[in-house]
Amino acid sequence: EDKVVQSPLSLVVHEGDTVTLNCSYEVTNFRSLLWYKQEKKAPTFLFMLTSSGIEKKSGRLSSILDKKELFSILNITATQTGDSAVYLCAVLNFNKFYFGSGTKLNVKP
Amino acid sequence: SAVISQKPSRDICQRGTSLTIQCQVDSQVTMMFWYRQQPGQSLTLIATANQGSEATYESGFVIDKFPISRPNLTFSTLTVSNMSPEDSSIYLCSVGDRDNQPQHFGDGTRLSIL
Repeated sequence: EDKVVQSPLSLVVHEGDTVTLNCSYEVTNFRSLLWYKQEKKAPTFLFMLTSSGIEKKSGRLSSILDKKELFSILNITATQTGDSAVYLCAVLNFNKFYFGSGTKLNVKP
Repeated sequence: SAVISQKPSRDICQRGTSLTIQCQVDSQVTMMFWYRQQPGQSLTLIATANQGSEATYESGFVIDKFPISRPNLTFSTLTVSNMSPEDSSIYLCSVGDRDNQPQHFGDGTRLSIL
């Protein structure tokens, strides 16, 4: 059965901390892995990863994929309260996305 | 990326009634999808809305319960029929304009059934 597993399920940190969110997957016919940030209702797209070992970076956020070990990490450095959200990992295979259960991040002032 | 308008943004409905959710995109897109996100859960794909033909439903979802229309490349509706409290969820429309590209989501509809 195809699945995407995220860890931890929730995380509480203080502003300025660095966090690492994990996503492992077992999905047949893997094509790409995506990270989304969900603050209220609509997930917003962060990164799409298709190749191993190539880091994607946007400001304080970065992500990398390991297709051999079947996982990805999302790093957030110097966290801010605005980073508080649920971070979703999704894996695409032939037009269907499989979503993980998300990591709920709470950044305290 | 495409601008996606979804409405209503929220509703409170009575048991046994039906509600239609609309998803409008500001440009033509190839793929449109409907997801459900139950409280504290991740996103579950309900169906792929196909333009000009019947939607493709995922296991556990049926057309009688979740009829979908997609009359053109910019618009789709999802109806939640004969609602029960278990249907209380956020319903999300998403679109993709090319194969193997990120999906983008509408703002979602928060549905509560009393």
